[in-house]
Formats: sequence, C-alpha cells, structure tokens
Amino acid sequence: DTGVSQNPRHKITKRGQNVTFRCDPISEHNRLYWYRQTLGQGPEFLTYFQNEAQLEKSRLLSDRFSAERPKGSFSTLEIQRTEQGDSAMYLCASSHRRKTGGSREQYFGPGTRLTVT
Amino acid sequence: TQLLEQSPQFLSIQEGENLTVYCNSSSVFSSLQWYRQEPGEGPVLLVTVVTGGEVKKLKRLTFQFGDARKDSSLHITAAQPGDTGLYLCAGTFNFGNEKLTFGTGTRLTIIP
Repeated sequence: DTGVSQNPRHKITKRGQNVTFRCDPISEHNRLYWYRQTLGQGPEFLTYFQNEAQLEKSRLLSDRFSAERPKGSFSTLEIQRTEQGDSAMYLCASSHRRKTGGSREQYFGPGTRLTVT
Repeated sequence: TQLLEQSPQFLSIQEGENLTVYCNSSSVFSSLQWYRQEPGEGPVLLVTVVTGGEVKKLKRLTFQFGDARKDSSLHITAAQPGDTGLYLCAGTFNFGNEKLTFGTGTRLTIIP
C-alpha cells in the first residue's frame, strides 16, 4: 500500500518565478487536501477537493495560488509570481470517502519544501 | 475562528520518564486527531477520537478526549528516544466540514 506522494520534495526558486507542485493521493481516496506549514507552526488549511470538485478554499489562498485536480486523482498546486513569504512546507493529505469511527482520517504526504530567494 | 492551544510548547525529559501533553480549544470538536511529525517530513496520524470521554491506547501512548469534547491529552509512559518529535493535535469543528485546524505543537525531546 503506497502512501501519499509529493513531488518535488524540495524546490528553490527566485522571487517572481512560478512553481508547481504535484500530489498523488492514496488510491481509492476521493478527498484531497492542501496545507501550508511555516517554521514553528502547525499546518494551515489551504483547500480541499472531493473527486475533481474544489469544495473549499481558505483566505490564505491568494489569487497567485491555484489548485487543480482535473481527473479526480492527482492534484497540482501552482504559485505564480512567488514571494519570499511563500517559503514554507506545502503538505498534501488524502482521505477515504468512508468515515472511520465517525471521522474521515487524513493521511499526509512528506511535503514539498519551497524556498523563495 | 477556532484556536487550538497545545502545552507545553517544548518538553525535554530523560528516557524512562512519563509525560503528558495537552490540547485545548474554546470550541467543541467534532473529531480530534493526534499526529507526530519528524523534521522535514509530513505528519503521521497516531489516533482519532470522536466520543467525549473516549480513551485510546497505542502501546505506551494513551490518548484521552475530554467529556465536553473541548480538550484532549496524550500521555506517554516510559518515554524512549524514538518518541522524540513534534506532537500535533488537529481537530474538525463542524460535522461535514473537512478542514483540520492544527495546534502549534509540542516539541518533545527524550534524552538517552
């Protein structure tokens, strides 16, 4: 059973460049989530998908951020015109359509660490 | 906006000692998860609690959910160096709302 995978694991980019990250969820998981984690903080919710539909977006997701899940499987998160404040760990998680004990448990990938210079 | 407070922020103890870390909210959780995170990696799910007063055990780890579903604790017995890591609690606050709200975590160091 493979877990959630994310690519790349690390990305260094110059301010103003565009970057795209990919997340492959656990197979059979229909829900996919993106979070951002800065140093010393817990992860913060960005957005989530049920199949290909984007159901909720955080106010943290500015106009420079866009997420897609075109076929309901993998997802991409793109950041346009990166800023130094975008430097963070970007985490992806997925969950099954069925609840476990009343809750849909979210399983996280290893993250993509973005450094904007 | 729901806030989760975790305490202590940092904890450093000797191998073999017991410890408890806490997670508190002013709002009622619909579910609460505990995760452990290693540096440079994603959080790993340890347990999910849903029912007020629920107690779950995972080897030397005991998780308790408060009766009012506003707080939780994680107790580790006979801590080992492998327990070192960042312990995060995360909760959902509305049934049907999938978003996890995380605390800032407790960074635990077990000294051999």
